[in-house]
Amino acid sequence: AQSVTQLDSHVSVSEGTPVLLRCNYSSSYSPSLFWYVQHPNKGLQLLLKYTSAATLVKGINGFEAEFKKSETSFHLTKPSAHMSDAAEYFCVVSDRSMEYGNKLVFGAGTILRVKS
Amino acid sequence: NAGVTQTPKFQVLKTGQSMTLQCAQDMNHEYMSWYRQDPGMGLRLIHYSVGAGITDQGEVPNGYNVSRSTTEDFPLRLLSAAPSQTSVYFCASSFQGSGNTIYFGEGSWLTVV
Repeated sequence: AQSVTQLDSHVSVSEGTPVLLRCNYSSSYSPSLFWYVQHPNKGLQLLLKYTSAATLVKGINGFEAEFKKSETSFHLTKPSAHMSDAAEYFCVVSDRSMEYGNKLVFGAGTILRVKS
Repeated sequence: NAGVTQTPKFQVLKTGQSMTLQCAQDMNHEYMSWYRQDPGMGLRLIHYSVGAGITDQGEVPNGYNVSRSTTEDFPLRLLSAAPSQTSVYFCASSFQGSGNTIYFGEGSWLTVV
Protein backbone atom coordinates (compact mmCIF):
# COMPACT_ATOMS: atom_id res chain seq x y z
CA ALA A 1 0.00 0.00 0.00
CA GLN A 2 1.09 3.51 -0.69
CA SER A 3 1.44 6.23 1.89
CA VAL A 4 2.89 9.70 2.14
CA THR A 5 4.19 11.47 5.22
CA GLN A 6 4.82 15.17 5.18
CA LEU A 7 7.08 15.69 8.13
CA ASP A 8 6.06 19.26 8.95
CA SER A 9 2.52 20.54 9.15
CA HIS A 10 3.75 24.16 9.22
CA VAL A 11 6.96 25.77 7.99
CA SER A 12 7.83 29.43 8.48
CA VAL A 13 10.66 31.16 6.61
CA SER A 14 11.74 34.72 5.98
CA GLU A 15 11.52 36.17 2.51
CA GLY A 16 14.72 35.53 0.59
CA THR A 17 15.76 32.48 2.65
CA PRO A 18 15.69 28.85 1.47
CA VAL A 19 12.60 26.68 1.65
CA LEU A 20 12.64 22.98 2.55
CA LEU A 21 9.41 20.97 2.70
CA ARG A 22 9.98 17.34 3.62
CA CYS A 23 8.15 14.32 2.24
CA ASN A 24 8.68 10.60 2.79
CA TYR A 25 6.74 8.01 0.88
CA SER A 26 6.02 4.33 0.94
CA SER A 27 5.16 2.42 -2.20
CA SER A 28 5.23 -1.23 -3.13
CA TYR A 29 6.20 -0.45 -6.70
CA SER A 30 8.05 2.21 -8.59
CA PRO A 31 6.19 5.37 -7.69
CA SER A 32 5.41 8.54 -9.50
CA LEU A 33 5.68 11.49 -7.14
CA PHE A 34 4.20 14.94 -7.35
CA TRP A 35 4.18 18.20 -5.47
CA TYR A 36 1.05 20.33 -5.69
CA VAL A 37 0.47 23.81 -4.31
CA GLN A 38 -2.82 25.23 -3.12
CA HIS A 39 -3.30 28.92 -2.47
CA PRO A 40 -6.14 29.92 -0.13
CA ASN A 41 -9.57 29.10 -1.53
CA LYS A 42 -8.06 27.91 -4.79
CA GLY A 43 -7.63 24.62 -6.59
CA LEU A 44 -4.43 22.59 -6.77
CA GLN A 45 -1.64 23.47 -9.14
CA LEU A 46 1.10 21.05 -10.15
CA LEU A 47 4.57 22.25 -9.15
CA LEU A 48 6.58 19.30 -10.42
CA LYS A 49 6.55 15.54 -10.89
CA TYR A 50 8.95 12.62 -10.85
CA THR A 51 8.27 9.68 -13.16
CA SER A 52 11.56 7.71 -13.18
CA ALA A 53 13.63 9.99 -15.35
CA ALA A 54 16.14 12.35 -13.72
CA THR A 55 16.09 12.15 -9.94
CA LEU A 56 16.41 15.93 -9.60
CA VAL A 57 13.21 17.44 -10.87
CA LYS A 58 12.77 21.12 -11.63
CA GLY A 59 9.35 22.68 -11.42
CA ILE A 60 7.66 26.00 -11.78
CA ASN A 61 8.44 29.14 -9.79
CA GLY A 62 11.98 28.02 -8.93
CA PHE A 63 11.00 24.91 -6.99
CA GLU A 64 12.80 21.62 -7.33
CA ALA A 65 12.71 18.22 -5.67
CA GLU A 66 15.08 15.29 -5.48
CA PHE A 67 13.94 11.68 -5.56
CA LYS A 68 16.04 9.58 -3.18
CA LYS A 69 15.05 5.96 -3.38
CA SER A 70 17.37 4.84 -0.59
CA GLU A 71 15.78 7.33 1.79
CA THR A 72 12.25 7.04 0.29
CA SER A 73 12.16 10.82 0.24
CA PHE A 74 11.04 13.51 -2.17
CA HIS A 75 11.78 16.81 -0.45
CA LEU A 76 10.78 20.10 -2.07
CA THR A 77 13.22 22.99 -2.06
CA LYS A 78 13.54 26.54 -3.28
CA PRO A 79 16.68 28.68 -2.87
CA SER A 80 14.91 31.91 -2.03
CA ALA A 81 11.36 32.27 -0.71
CA HIS A 82 9.01 34.88 -2.07
CA MET A 83 5.91 36.23 -0.36
CA SER A 84 3.78 34.70 -3.11
CA ASP A 85 5.01 31.22 -2.10
CA ALA A 86 2.86 31.31 1.02
CA ALA A 87 0.40 28.45 0.49
CA GLU A 88 -0.27 24.85 1.36
CA TYR A 89 1.85 22.21 -0.33
CA PHE A 90 0.94 18.59 -0.90
CA CYS A 91 3.25 15.69 -1.62
CA VAL A 92 1.45 13.02 -3.64
CA VAL A 93 2.33 9.48 -4.70
CA SER A 94 0.84 7.51 -7.56
CA ASP A 95 1.42 3.82 -7.94
CA ARG A 96 2.84 2.97 -11.35
CA SER A 97 1.92 -0.66 -10.95
CA MET A 98 -1.65 0.23 -11.75
CA GLU A 99 -2.69 -0.66 -15.26
CA TYR A 100 -5.78 1.47 -15.08
CA GLY A 101 -6.64 4.63 -13.32
CA ASN A 102 -4.40 7.10 -11.67
CA LYS A 103 -5.04 6.77 -7.97
CA LEU A 104 -3.24 9.34 -5.90
CA VAL A 105 -2.39 9.25 -2.23
CA PHE A 106 -1.98 12.67 -0.66
CA GLY A 107 0.09 13.74 2.26
CA ALA A 108 -1.63 15.79 4.95
CA GLY A 109 -0.11 19.00 3.62
CA THR A 110 2.46 21.55 4.78
CA ILE A 111 1.44 25.16 5.25
CA LEU A 112 4.27 27.48 4.25
CA ARG A 113 4.36 30.91 5.83
CA VAL A 114 6.71 33.55 4.44
CA LYS A 115 7.62 36.45 6.69
CA SER A 116 8.65 39.82 5.32
CA ASN B 1 -8.83 26.37 -22.19
CA ALA B 2 -11.62 25.45 -19.78
CA GLY B 3 -9.79 22.45 -18.25
CA VAL B 4 -11.80 20.97 -15.37
CA THR B 5 -14.94 22.87 -14.49
CA GLN B 6 -16.84 22.32 -11.25
CA THR B 7 -20.19 23.73 -10.22
CA PRO B 8 -21.44 25.05 -7.88
CA LYS B 9 -18.52 26.73 -6.13
CA PHE B 10 -20.43 27.21 -2.88
CA GLN B 11 -23.47 25.39 -1.53
CA VAL B 12 -25.28 25.16 1.78
CA LEU B 13 -27.51 22.15 2.35
CA LYS B 14 -29.79 21.04 5.12
CA THR B 15 -29.29 17.62 6.62
CA GLY B 16 -31.12 15.03 4.56
CA GLN B 17 -31.21 17.03 1.36
CA SER B 18 -29.70 15.65 -1.83
CA MET B 19 -27.67 17.45 -4.43
CA THR B 20 -25.30 16.91 -7.33
CA LEU B 21 -21.89 18.43 -7.81
CA GLN B 22 -21.14 18.79 -11.49
CA CYS B 23 -17.75 18.18 -13.09
CA ALA B 24 -16.83 18.54 -16.75
CA GLN B 25 -13.51 18.35 -18.56
CA ASP B 26 -12.70 19.22 -22.17
CA MET B 27 -9.34 17.45 -22.49
CA ASN B 28 -10.65 14.04 -23.56
CA HIS B 29 -9.24 12.45 -20.40
CA GLU B 30 -10.22 8.89 -19.68
CA TYR B 31 -9.68 9.13 -15.95
CA MET B 32 -11.81 11.30 -13.68
CA SER B 33 -12.09 11.33 -9.93
CA TRP B 34 -13.61 13.10 -6.95
CA TYR B 35 -11.74 13.99 -3.77
CA ARG B 36 -12.76 15.62 -0.56
CA GLN B 37 -10.42 17.84 1.40
CA ASP B 38 -10.64 18.17 5.16
CA PRO B 39 -8.22 20.08 7.40
CA GLY B 40 -5.06 18.16 8.23
CA MET B 41 -6.03 15.18 6.08
CA GLY B 42 -4.96 16.12 2.58
CA LEU B 43 -7.30 14.97 -0.18
CA ARG B 44 -9.08 11.64 0.02
CA LEU B 45 -10.45 9.77 -2.98
CA ILE B 46 -14.23 9.31 -3.02
CA HIS B 47 -14.92 7.70 -6.41
CA TYR B 48 -13.14 7.43 -9.71
CA SER B 49 -13.79 6.43 -13.29
CA VAL B 50 -11.47 5.07 -15.95
CA GLY B 51 -13.86 5.71 -18.80
CA ALA B 52 -17.49 6.15 -19.79
CA GLY B 53 -19.65 3.55 -18.09
CA ILE B 54 -16.94 2.49 -15.60
CA THR B 55 -16.79 3.73 -12.02
CA ASP B 56 -15.27 2.44 -8.81
CA GLN B 57 -15.03 3.35 -5.16
CA GLY B 58 -12.16 5.14 -3.57
CA GLU B 59 -11.15 5.52 0.04
CA VAL B 60 -14.29 7.26 1.36
CA PRO B 61 -17.27 6.38 -0.89
CA ASN B 62 -20.07 6.10 1.65
CA GLY B 63 -22.90 8.58 1.12
CA TYR B 64 -21.89 9.40 -2.44
CA ASN B 65 -22.88 8.12 -5.86
CA VAL B 66 -21.31 8.73 -9.24
CA SER B 67 -22.00 7.91 -12.87
CA ARG B 68 -20.05 8.41 -16.08
CA SER B 69 -22.34 8.47 -19.10
CA THR B 70 -19.93 10.52 -21.23
CA THR B 71 -16.17 11.05 -21.31
CA GLU B 72 -16.61 14.70 -20.42
CA ASP B 73 -18.88 14.58 -17.36
CA PHE B 74 -18.55 12.99 -13.94
CA PRO B 75 -21.21 14.19 -11.48
CA LEU B 76 -21.04 13.43 -7.77
CA ARG B 77 -24.35 12.90 -5.96
CA LEU B 78 -24.94 13.29 -2.27
CA LEU B 79 -27.93 11.11 -1.55
CA SER B 80 -28.89 12.37 1.91
CA ALA B 81 -26.52 15.05 3.13
CA ALA B 82 -25.00 14.79 6.59
CA PRO B 83 -22.94 17.33 8.55
CA SER B 84 -19.94 14.98 8.18
CA GLN B 85 -20.03 15.71 4.47
CA THR B 86 -19.19 19.36 5.05
CA SER B 87 -15.98 19.64 3.10
CA VAL B 88 -14.30 21.01 0.01
CA TYR B 89 -14.74 18.77 -3.00
CA PHE B 90 -12.34 18.58 -5.92
CA CYS B 91 -12.87 16.95 -9.27
CA ALA B 92 -9.79 15.85 -11.19
CA SER B 93 -8.99 14.33 -14.55
CA SER B 94 -6.04 12.90 -16.44
CA PHE B 95 -5.04 10.52 -19.15
CA GLN B 96 -4.86 6.97 -17.89
CA GLY B 97 -1.72 5.69 -16.27
CA SER B 98 0.33 6.67 -13.29
CA GLY B 99 2.68 9.55 -13.94
CA ASN B 100 0.31 11.55 -16.07
CA THR B 101 -0.42 15.02 -14.76
CA ILE B 102 -3.67 15.29 -12.86
CA TYR B 103 -5.69 18.43 -13.48
CA PHE B 104 -7.93 19.70 -10.70
CA GLY B 105 -11.02 21.83 -10.72
CA GLU B 106 -11.26 24.93 -8.55
CA GLY B 107 -13.21 23.16 -5.82
CA SER B 108 -16.72 23.18 -4.42
CA TRP B 109 -17.26 24.35 -0.84
CA LEU B 110 -20.16 22.43 0.69
CA THR B 111 -21.67 23.10 4.10
CA VAL B 112 -24.32 20.80 5.56
CA VAL B 113 -26.27 22.27 8.45
